[in-house]
Amino acid sequence: KAGVTQTPRYLIKTRGQQVTLSCSPISGHRSVSWYQQTPGQGLQFLFEYFSETQRNKGNFPGRFSGRQFSNSRSEMNVSTLELGDSALYLCASSHARGGTDTQYFGPGTRLTVL
Amino acid sequence: SQQGEEDPQALSIQEGENATMNCSYKTSINNLQWYRQNSGRGLVHLILIRSNEREKHSGRLRVTLDTSKKSSSLLITASRAADTASYFCATGSDTSGTYKYIFGTGTRLKVLA
Repeated sequence: KAGVTQTPRYLIKTRGQQVTLSCSPISGHRSVSWYQQTPGQGLQFLFEYFSETQRNKGNFPGRFSGRQFSNSRSEMNVSTLELGDSALYLCASSHARGGTDTQYFGPGTRLTVL
Repeated sequence: SQQGEEDPQALSIQEGENATMNCSYKTSINNLQWYRQNSGRGLVHLILIRSNEREKHSGRLRVTLDTSKKSSSLLITASRAADTASYFCATGSDTSGTYKYIFGTGTRLKVLA
């Protein structure tokens, strides 16, 4: 089975812009979770989508949003970028709901905000 | 605050030695997973241990879980230079229908050749 894929792998944006990141889960997986990883805050949960519905959300501002399509692919959007949004964004897929099953991670998208 | 706190934060050992990392958490869990991350890349799943299990093995890895102490340990035996990475524990919980994983702060392991 192909693993979790994320595109793009690297992205450079400027403050105020918006960005969309994409995640394709492992075939058959219905849950996609997104995480932000920074040196200062570590790995922080953003949100989880399961069967096209957001099931859980972390403590991030409304500038961070996402969606999931019928084929389980997911996108994450960040609007009005801030310098502090520079991070590695990781998505993870699992067969069952997050917290109950093994999560498999993609390689991440490295976002740099200038 | 983080659910999982790994200890130590950093560990440096010689090739061939064993490495032990610990994870403590605060609330009840369904399961606990250990992941490895190489230098800012994606996380690689190592082992999942459920709350009703006490020990699991996978190759050179041994994970224990003590739910009474809310702690877990990861033992890597006969370490190799390729084991150099950051290791994270993640606790999976189901609270009132809200499922989530919370990651610890990680242990940076350096294996010297």
